Amino acid sequence: GAVVSQHPSRVICKSGTSVKIECRSLDFQATTMFWYRQFPKQSLMLMATSNEGSKATYEQGVEKDKFLINHASLTLSTLTVTSAHPEDSSFYICSARAGGLTDTQYFGPGTRLTVL
Amino acid sequence: QQQVKQSPQSLIVQKGGIPIINCAYENTAFDYFPWYQQFPGKGPALLIAIRPDVSEKKEGRFTISFNKSAKQFSLHIMDSQPGDSATYFCAASKSTGRRALTFGSGTRLQVQP
Repeated sequence: GAVVSQHPSRVICKSGTSVKIECRSLDFQATTMFWYRQFPKQSLMLMATSNEGSKATYEQGVEKDKFLINHASLTLSTLTVTSAHPEDSSFYICSARAGGLTDTQYFGPGTRLTVL
Repeated sequence: QQQVKQSPQSLIVQKGGIPIINCAYENTAFDYFPWYQQFPGKGPALLIAIRPDVSEKKEGRFTISFNKSAKQFSLHIMDSQPGDSATYFCAASKSTGRRALTFGSGTRLQVQP
């Protein structure tokens, strides 16, 4: 299957700082990338959808100024958590879908964010 | 509104057993139904997926059964092994527009030796 990487795998930061998470599709071009958030023992909650070269579409209740998403190329999307607070601590996972008729989403390994 | 309902929440089977996980959806516009496996601290991995034009699909030890009229689908794991112990998520999406996945709540499976 296709490979999606995320960096960093885990990050610890102080409250008030900003954190950037990268999501890369390694062996295919991703027309669409998705960002999810997962709390312990819970399901994945879609935060936003991004298409290369256009603004991200955020789900209801997700603050776009808090979670900045940039899909600069067909292989890279970034999520920046601005002015992070302890309640932003979570497991952030990206997925990528190639273009065309495919519906398959391949997920990255996730990034564990801990805000102190 | 929870559009994909998954059950059971947790499941314990003996090695060699056949765990069955069920999902029901509400949105009749959904036409792509994947199952994902997730180990602790890892991202979900695609196991198998089905579309409404078939009632069953098998890949290795994993089988999806699909009932379009009942708007239900299920995952069967044949000859389950301790290494299958993980959380399983069903999902659904439309094959148009953003194609965003709506996930079920997950099932924590434990396969005892």
